[in-house]
Order: sequence, then C-alpha cells, then structure tokens
Amino acid sequence: DTAVSQTPKYLVTQMGNDKSIKCEQNLGHDTMYWYKQDSKKFLKIMFSYNNKELIINETVPNRFSPKSPDKAHLNLHINSLELGDSAVYFCASSQGGQGAYEQYFGPGTRLTVT
Amino acid sequence: AQSVAQPEDQVNVAEGNPLTVKCTYSVSGNPYLFWYVQYPNRGLQFLLKYITGDNLVKGSYGFEAEFNKSQTSFHLKKPSALVSDSALYFCAVRGPGAGSYQLTFGKGTKLSVIP
Repeated sequence: DTAVSQTPKYLVTQMGNDKSIKCEQNLGHDTMYWYKQDSKKFLKIMFSYNNKELIINETVPNRFSPKSPDKAHLNLHINSLELGDSAVYFCASSQGGQGAYEQYFGPGTRLTVT
Repeated sequence: AQSVAQPEDQVNVAEGNPLTVKCTYSVSGNPYLFWYVQYPNRGLQFLLKYITGDNLVKGSYGFEAEFNKSQTSFHLKKPSALVSDSALYFCAVRGPGAGSYQLTFGKGTKLSVIP
C-alpha cells in the first residue's frame, strides 16, 4: 500500500496555464506538507497543514494556493504558471507538526513549464 | 533561526569501506535531528532521528548517526558501504517547543560508493 501518493507524477504544461497536484496519505497523520525541490536538489518548504489548519506559509508567490479538504488530502493549485515554477514538488505527512515526528514523503511530481 | 550545513557536496567511498556524511546544525535549545535518503527519481525516505538520550542513534539499512552537542554535529555513518547506498543524503533539524513546526533541511550530500 502506498503511504503518501501524488498525482500526477509528471506534468508538462505551457506558461500561463493553471494546474493542480493532488496528494493523499493513508497513514492517519494529521499534518501534511508541500515542498519544492529545485534543479540543484535544494528542498524548500512551501506550506503545511495541521488538522486542516494552515501552520506554515512560506514566502511563495500567491499564485500557489494549497487546499486541505480533510486530514488525508492536501492539494496544490498553481495559477499562471511560469518557467521558474519548473521543479519537483513533494508532498509529505507526519503525525504531529512539531517535535520529533519524522515526515513521510510522496514520490514527487515533476512539473515542467515550457 | 535554525539552519543545517552539509559541508560536502559529494562523498566518494569504496565498497566495503566505512562512510561518513557530515552535518552540523544551529538551533535554539535542544534539537531534533533527522537523516533522510533520496534515491534517483524518488521521494525522501526517513533513515533515523535523534530526540534525546544516547548520542549514537541506529537507523535503517545499517546506518547510524552520532550526536555531538559540543560540536553541534550529527554525522551519518555506516561501517561498510554498499554500492546500493549510493544516493543523496539530507540532514534536517527542528527546534524544540511549541510553534516549532518547520523542519529545515541541508542542501544534501551525494554519496557515491565505488565497486
């Protein structure tokens, strides 16, 4: 069973389009995250939800909007895509948003903007 | 602010030899420290973590890490490297206390194990 799943795995789109990435976890965790990994493999936290409440909202363009319909799902919607948005986006989850809880990562969504 | 430094972009080691991947951190208070591994085209996998207590932490796939408070380090080690250990390794830190939600990652160290 896949613990943290993301769809789609690959996303190729043109500048200016709007796209969404979906994430689901079946681990019963109450905290979920979105990370962006750039071409140099640097990982940057974007958002985090704990029990459907936004707890981390890093400095990202407001073209990026997360939505958490329930504790098991966290989606990422991106408006007006730009070339610089090309990256791998990872969803993760953990039992608790603080302390020593490790995070479990999805397989990633490789977004290419042309 | 909390931060993590992985001073080596790449570590090369011969198969069968011991390996060390270095990590130093900066955080207010007692840290929670983590190591993750990323294989090509995959998500990150949790290897091990330090919470408190014994400074030597054992994790998955024969890896261990040594916490050194005075040197603010948390180096990843393995007694005998395998070719299959070749991957990208990330160290991460989170501070203590309420409100410390953010896990800060280092920039990663690429480990290459040479047959």
